[in-house]
Amino acid sequence: GAVVSQHPSWVICKSGTSVKIECRSLDFQATTMFWYRQFPKQSLMLMATSNEGSKATYEQGVEKDKFLINHASLTLSTLTVTSAHPEDSSFYICSARDGTGRPNTEAFFGQGTRLTVV
Amino acid sequence: SQQGEEDPQALSIQEGENATMNCSYKTSINNLQWYRQNSGRGLVHLILIRSNEREKHSGRLRVTLDTSKKSSSLLITASRAADTASYFCATVNTGGFKTIFGAGTRLFVKA
Repeated sequence: GAVVSQHPSWVICKSGTSVKIECRSLDFQATTMFWYRQFPKQSLMLMATSNEGSKATYEQGVEKDKFLINHASLTLSTLTVTSAHPEDSSFYICSARDGTGRPNTEAFFGQGTRLTVV
Repeated sequence: SQQGEEDPQALSIQEGENATMNCSYKTSINNLQWYRQNSGRGLVHLILIRSNEREKHSGRLRVTLDTSKKSSSLLITASRAADTASYFCATVNTGGFKTIFGAGTRLFVKA
C-alpha cells in the first residue's frame, strides 16, 4: 500500500515554544491530508483537513491560530503547534488520500507523533 | 466529531476464543474501515468495506456491514495474544472525504 511518513515520531518541547510536525506522502500525490489528535485511551479526533494550495478547514472547537497547517505541495503537509502548553501534549496523526480524491479509497496514515510539552 | 459508538468499550478473552466488536454510525456512508492500534503506536489498516458490500473476509478477520441498521461488526476468530490492541471503526460519509473514527474497543487476549 501507499506510504505516509510522519516526522518526528516523538518530540519534547518547553511550554511556550512551537513545534512543527511533517506529513509526507512518499509514493503518491495527496491533494488532501487530514490531521488527527488522540489523547490517551481515547479515539482519534479529526482536527482539520489540509488542502493543497488553499487554507485548511478546521473542525469545530479547533483553534486555527494555534494549530497552523500548511499544505504547500502535493506531498507535504505540516502542522505547527504554536505556543505549546502541557494540555497540547497528545498523539498527532496525519492521513492522506491519493490525488484522485475518490471517496471510496483507503486513507493512509502516518505513524504518528507523540508530543510532550513540559 | 466522532461518527458513532463502538461496543464493547473493552473486551477480555482467552487465546483461541473469538472476539466480536460492533460499530454503529449515524449518517449514510461511502465505506467503513477497521483499524488496529497497538498501545501508543500508529494505525494498522485491516479491512475496508464499501456501502454496497455486506461481508468481507481477510484471514482470521470477518467484517459485516448492515447499512439499514447503520452498523458493522468485526469478528476475529481464533484470537492470539498478539491481537491485543485497540480496534477502531472509521467511516467516510457519502459525498465526503473525511475519515471519522468511532470510540474504539480495547481488546485484551490472555495467553
